[in-house]
Amino acid sequence: GENVEQHPSTLSVQEGDSAVIKCTYSDSASNYFPWYKQELGKGPQLIIDIRSNVGEKKDQRIAVTLNKTAKHFSLHITETQPEDSAVYFCAASTGGFKTIFGAGTRLFVKA
Amino acid sequence: DAGVIQSPRHEVTEMGQEVTLRCKPISGHDYLFWYRQTMMRGLELLIYFNNNVPIDDSGMPEDRFSAKMPNASFSTLKIQPSEPRDSAVYFCASTPSGKYNEQFFGPGTRLTVL
Repeated sequence: GENVEQHPSTLSVQEGDSAVIKCTYSDSASNYFPWYKQELGKGPQLIIDIRSNVGEKKDQRIAVTLNKTAKHFSLHITETQPEDSAVYFCAASTGGFKTIFGAGTRLFVKA
Repeated sequence: DAGVIQSPRHEVTEMGQEVTLRCKPISGHDYLFWYRQTMMRGLELLIYFNNNVPIDDSGMPEDRFSAKMPNASFSTLKIQPSEPRDSAVYFCASTPSGKYNEQFFGPGTRLTVL
């Protein structure tokens, strides 16, 4: 089955710096890669997603890149702000409904 | 829209007791998912339903766990008997039909089994 690995497990950055979280997946049939943000005491919430027919997608300060050949995808957050502090999860699915999540990255943005 | 509703938000019980977690998905969503989140294992899919029918329960850890969806607006996850290792946060999520759809998560139920 699909396996998603996520790194780093913890990331601490200064406010205004960039943050990068990387994931790899094992199932070459995976074609949908969402990213979720989980704030303390809440459920995960989708922040951006990318499909396998696209190499990069951007939404304001957030961007995702996908390398299908290497089975890598990454989340980039620019100009980080304290409210970006949360746990971020990458995930992969084959476009169906069974989504496999990475272990999560706890991001701390220091003011 | 109220979003996905879960109850209770917190549950503390003793080993051996029956636990029932409840979920109300977003109206019109055809898919409902139950996840378990722990520090050790992260976010694990336990089971999901489509139009009230269980589609994949391969993530259910053992026979002590069962899930039902008697109608489109209600689902339960039951643990009987509960054990300390079941302590976790349990999330319910729903999504409409069609591929590549966002899963909308509820606030979760934090279960502690003593």
